[in-house]
Amino acid sequence: GQQLNQSPQSMFIQEGEDVSMNCTSSSIFNTWLWYKQDPGEGPVLLIALYKAGELTSNGRLTAQFGITRKDSFLNISASIPSDVGIYFCAGQRYSGGGADGLTFGKGTHLIIQP
Amino acid sequence: NAGVTQTPKFQVLKTGQSMTLQCAQDMNHNSMYWYRQDPGMGLRLIYYSASEGTTDKGEVPNGYNVSRLNKREFSLRLESAAPSQTSVYFCASSWGTTDTQYFGPGTRLTVL
Repeated sequence: GQQLNQSPQSMFIQEGEDVSMNCTSSSIFNTWLWYKQDPGEGPVLLIALYKAGELTSNGRLTAQFGITRKDSFLNISASIPSDVGIYFCAGQRYSGGGADGLTFGKGTHLIIQP
Repeated sequence: NAGVTQTPKFQVLKTGQSMTLQCAQDMNHNSMYWYRQDPGMGLRLIYYSASEGTTDKGEVPNGYNVSRLNKREFSLRLESAAPSQTSVYFCASSWGTTDTQYFGPGTRLTVL
């Protein structure tokens, strides 16, 4: 089965720094999503992108749906300790008026040093 | 509003034992999903139910069965557990299959 190529695998940064991560795929997706997972919890949706080229912000988070529909990036500005966690990209393809489940990347572990 | 709830939170099985993982949602969603998450991996879709009365296979369905009991509940059954099924299992739900999926807290399963 296909998984998305997410990078970097992990990031060690200082509090206050900006963070950038991305996801690429060999095939097109109709929707790109970014989730965050805290230890022992399920993923929580951060940003959803529905249109090629779309740039969407949610507080300090900004994500873009690539023009080719095969990639997406997530930026976090001025990181704070509670940003620690695993960030997943996910894509979804539509067919016949519906869709099946999400295809996930392997995640980016974000670790912040105070 | 509890959202998506899963029981149990933790389970240890011996190889060959069977068990059912339960999932319920109180958001009146039509679609429900089961994923598994292995160390260092993203989530992978096991089965999903687009609407009450329908179920479809996902990427990794072998060794599992599902039942959409009613609109609220979607269970995942392991008939004969294997060590390869040691994983964290997440249930999710959404209004429709193209809408945002909301995840439960997970069930951590170990098969010895």
